[in-house]
Amino acid sequence: KNQVEQSPQSLIILEGKNCTLQCNYTVSPFSNLRWYKQDTGRGPVSLTIMTFSENTKSNGRYTATLDADTKQSSLHITASQLSDSASYICVVSGENTGFQKLVFGTGTRLLVSP
Amino acid sequence: EAQVTQNPRYLITVTGKKLTVTCSQNMNHEYMSWYRQDPGLGLRQIYYSMNVEVTDKGDVPEGYKVSRKEKRNFPLILESPSPNQTSLYFCASSLFGLATTSTDTQYFGPGTRLTVL
Repeated sequence: KNQVEQSPQSLIILEGKNCTLQCNYTVSPFSNLRWYKQDTGRGPVSLTIMTFSENTKSNGRYTATLDADTKQSSLHITASQLSDSASYICVVSGENTGFQKLVFGTGTRLLVSP
Repeated sequence: EAQVTQNPRYLITVTGKKLTVTCSQNMNHEYMSWYRQDPGLGLRQIYYSMNVEVTDKGDVPEGYKVSRKEKRNFPLILESPSPNQTSLYFCASSLFGLATTSTDTQYFGPGTRLTVL
């Protein structure tokens, strides 16, 4: 069964600190992996998209890594800010009869404390 | 400003009273989709549309209808809402139909919080 599991479920860090969120998936065949940021009460916003051949993608203070062999991805947030408080969702695209099937993780809820 | 809009943002209704949640995008995107988000569950796809007059079921289509008469609009219809359809709903769009090799960004609307009593 195609699944995406994220850890931890929730995380509290102090402002200015770094953190890493994890995503493990069993989706096959693999097409690409996306990380989204979802602020409370708002729609998800795309942070990064990585294909099979990419193992790192950055977007400002956000850096995503992908290991397609072990089917793992991580999202590293550097020098966290209060505005980073949000849920972070990992989404894996698998191929389904010629078009992508998106499988969503349940997210990691991050709280950055002053 | 490029965006996906949804209306209403909040809705409380009663069982069996038909309702429509509208979704509109101004980016000339071909692909549009509806999701629901429930606590402890990831976003689940309800219906999607590859282009005008082309729609198909997602993972949880029961109790929902959609139509795509115009490229920019993709309304979600609940003919007879039930309490288990209480959820947070998101409309999303992307340029192409999420072809296998596509890395298109998917843009989400702000969400509609629906409560069915």
